[in-house]
Amino acid sequence: GENVEQHPSTLSVQEGDSAVIKCTYSDSASNYFPWYKQELGKRPQLIIDIRSNVGEKKDQRIAVTLNKTAKHFSLHITETQPEDSAVYFCAALYQTGANNLFFGTGTRLTVIP
Amino acid sequence: DTAVSQTPKYLVTQMGNDKSIKCEQNLGHDTMYWYKQDSKKFLKIMFSYNNKELIINETVPNRFSPKSPDKAHLNLHINSLELGDSAVYFCASSRGLAGGFSYNEQFFGPGTRLTVL
Repeated sequence: GENVEQHPSTLSVQEGDSAVIKCTYSDSASNYFPWYKQELGKRPQLIIDIRSNVGEKKDQRIAVTLNKTAKHFSLHITETQPEDSAVYFCAALYQTGANNLFFGTGTRLTVIP
Repeated sequence: DTAVSQTPKYLVTQMGNDKSIKCEQNLGHDTMYWYKQDSKKFLKIMFSYNNKELIINETVPNRFSPKSPDKAHLNLHINSLELGDSAVYFCASSRGLAGGFSYNEQFFGPGTRLTVL
């Protein structure tokens, strides 16, 4: 199966600064890379995703980049706000007859007001 | 208007008991999943079902038996509960397995926190 590594495990930034979370994946056949945000006690919610035929995608303050050759992808949050504080998970879709998402280990982001 | 729902939200039980968690989605999706999130927040796929058929069992002990009575429901039955089964269990659904990237997005239920004493 797929193996996804995520760094850092915790990240603290000042409000207004940028935050970057990085992930690597192992299987070059993976072709879909979503990012989920999970607030305390809540369900994971998709915030942005990127397909393997695209190198970068942006949605307001959030952007994701993908380097297929190096098998890594990153989440960039600019102008961070306290409400961005949560655990963020990257994932890679490994298609072996099922759309199984393999998740990274999560990054706890804290935005300090 | 809840898209993916689970019951119960909390489940506290003794070791050795058998319990079930129910999941329903009203999105018209073909594919449903069970994930386990442990105390360290690791989120791991357990099962995938497509059109009521088991697609993937990711090395989950056979004490866990998912059942899909129809496309909108995927229930999880756990026999002989162990302390290590304590976790939050998330159900999720997606549009389908194939047909392009629009099928990939997974929607999660609110989770069921299982505590085994």
